[in-house]
This record gives sequence, C-alpha cells and structure tokens, in this order.
Amino acid sequence: GGIITQTPKFLIGQEGQKLTLKCQQNFNHDTMYWYRQDSGKGLRLIYYSITENDLQKGDLSEGYDASREKKSSFSLTVTSAQKNEMAVFLCASMGDTYAEQFFGPGTRLTVL
Amino acid sequence: QQKVQQSPESLIVPEGGMASLNCTSSDRNVDYFWWYRQHSGKSPKMLMSIFSNGEKEEGRFTVHLNKASLHTSLHIRDSQPSDSALYLCAASMSNYNVLYFGSGTKLTVEP
Repeated sequence: GGIITQTPKFLIGQEGQKLTLKCQQNFNHDTMYWYRQDSGKGLRLIYYSITENDLQKGDLSEGYDASREKKSSFSLTVTSAQKNEMAVFLCASMGDTYAEQFFGPGTRLTVL
Repeated sequence: QQKVQQSPESLIVPEGGMASLNCTSSDRNVDYFWWYRQHSGKSPKMLMSIFSNGEKEEGRFTVHLNKASLHTSLHIRDSQPSDSALYLCAASMSNYNVLYFGSGTKLTVEP
C-alpha cells in the first residue's frame, strides 16, 4: 500500500496572492494529478504529469502553474488567488493506464 | 461541453431499498468507465470499473455498461445509511492517463 499527503490541509490567502499547494506520494506511481472540487460538485482537472519534469494542462489550467521536480512530489501554484476559486484541491496518483487513481485528503482553499 | 453526464443530481432512497445511478459519455473515444464514492469531507475512493459490455457485480453493488450508447449505471441493493455519499462517474480513453469526471450524484439513504 501507499499514501498521498497534501500540505497544508487548510490554506487561507488574500485576493491576488500567490499560493502554493504540495503533494507527496509513496506509491512510486508515474502519473500525478491536481483536481479542483467546488462544494458538492465533480472534479475538474487542472494539471497532470506522467513523469518527473513533465507537465500537461487540464481543462482548468488557466490561473495555475504546476511543478514536478521529483517522481514523488507534485506542486500546484495559484498564481493570483480569486474569491471565486474557494474550493478543495485534490491530488491523485496512478500507476498504470486503466489502473485506479488514489487521492490525497485535499487542501481546502479560502480566499479573503 | 462536459464529456460525462450523471443523473440524477440527487437521490433519496429508504434503508434497504435499491439505488440506481446513471452516467453517459458524449465522447465516442471513451472506452473505460469508473465509479468513485466520496463520503462527506473525505477524498474519492474507487468503487468499481468496467470496460466490457454487460454487468459486473461486487457484493451489493452492480455496474452495467452499454458500449453502443456509452451508458453505464450503478445499482446498490439493500442500501445502507453508510452508502450516503457523492457518487462520481468517470470515463477514460485508450492510451490516455486522464479521467473525465461527471458532476456526481448525491445519494442519501434514510433510516
């Protein structure tokens, strides 16, 4: 088994601020993902990475940057926080194509 | 346009009843479907996946897939209050590492 950890658990920022969310996995999975989930809704893909130093944009990438410096870690940066993007950000990883995606516990973002 | 549509948006069933959830994809390249369950305040966890026509059963949970219509359904028999959760359908395509998620069905099982 393995685990995905996300830090911080709660993130409070000011409008216009640059904020960074971090994710670590010890599954030794190649592919990692960042999703955004608005309250009670589905998941929208922001960025994913199929290997170290690779980055692929999802449907919601505008306003975000990502970084995959190591196989085990994937960071997401909100470049300029906006009040309408208060949500839970979920990190996930997957071993093989058609395998299960495993999710971290999430980071809840609040923008004041 | 969203690739995956789920219905209903919310569903209330009595304890012991049958819950039926639906999911359809609008993209003919989709060939694999997933069902995830997310309890309130928790992260999603995979329930079942299916890629062949027909049905697949695991305990109280049954998944159907009609590849011609790109429609999948999840049926939960003998529903329990612990089944109350957001159920997310996702679809993927050959050789792609991306899952496309629907908006979810919120299931409430009333004791």
